[in-house]
Amino acid sequence: QSALTQPASVSGSPGQSITISCTGTSSDVGGYNYVSWYQQHPGKAPKLIISDVSNRPSGVSNRFSGSKSGNTASLTISGLQAEDEADYYCSSYTSSRIRVFGGGTKVTVL
Amino acid sequence: QITLKESGPTLVKPTQTLTLTCTFSGFSLSTSGVGVAWIRQPPGKAPEWLVLIYWDDDKRYNPSLKSRLTITKDTSKNQVVLTMTNMDPVDTATYYCAHTGNANIGIYFGYWGQGTLVTVSS
Repeated sequence: QSALTQPASVSGSPGQSITISCTGTSSDVGGYNYVSWYQQHPGKAPKLIISDVSNRPSGVSNRFSGSKSGNTASLTISGLQAEDEADYYCSSYTSSRIRVFGGGTKVTVL
Repeated sequence: QITLKESGPTLVKPTQTLTLTCTFSGFSLSTSGVGVAWIRQPPGKAPEWLVLIYWDDDKRYNPSLKSRLTITKDTSKNQVVLTMTNMDPVDTATYYCAHTGNANIGIYFGYWGQGTLVTVSS
């Protein structure tokens, strides 16, 4: 099972919106609405910020939103803030009933 | 409140077997739909899903590591144990356990342990 494809880095200025893509196949991202997104600050464990493509867990800022089209899922961060600078990972359920992560995207706030 | 915590050796020698324990609270692995996963993250790299065990003892393994992994649960102790054989320096990583489940519970990793760094070196 190959890892999902994410851009290595994305940057934006405070207040701007950025979008991170997560590309898989019809056997994972495209086949199920079970894409989740995680935020990870240095030295910390990943934190769930989006589940089931677009659901935001309680306590997660509404500046984070998720969507999916075909084999590509996307995470959008609106109103970018300094605290959003972190690594972001997508994950998907697969047809083999296993899980897979993306390669990660480093978000830089300029 | 769901919490998980990993424990085990911080240093193992090449070819040795690694045994890690995940001790959790706030949920039961006897509850229908619930699962616990192990995930590792080499320094500076992305997380890699390793294995998960469900409440009904169904187990799912990363195909690339399946021959080296064993996962078991002790419901009475609220623990899940991961065993990885034939350790190599490339297995150096922070190992996490995480709460997950099936579609009824949620196919995502909603809660993570703090992680434990395992270094493989002679």
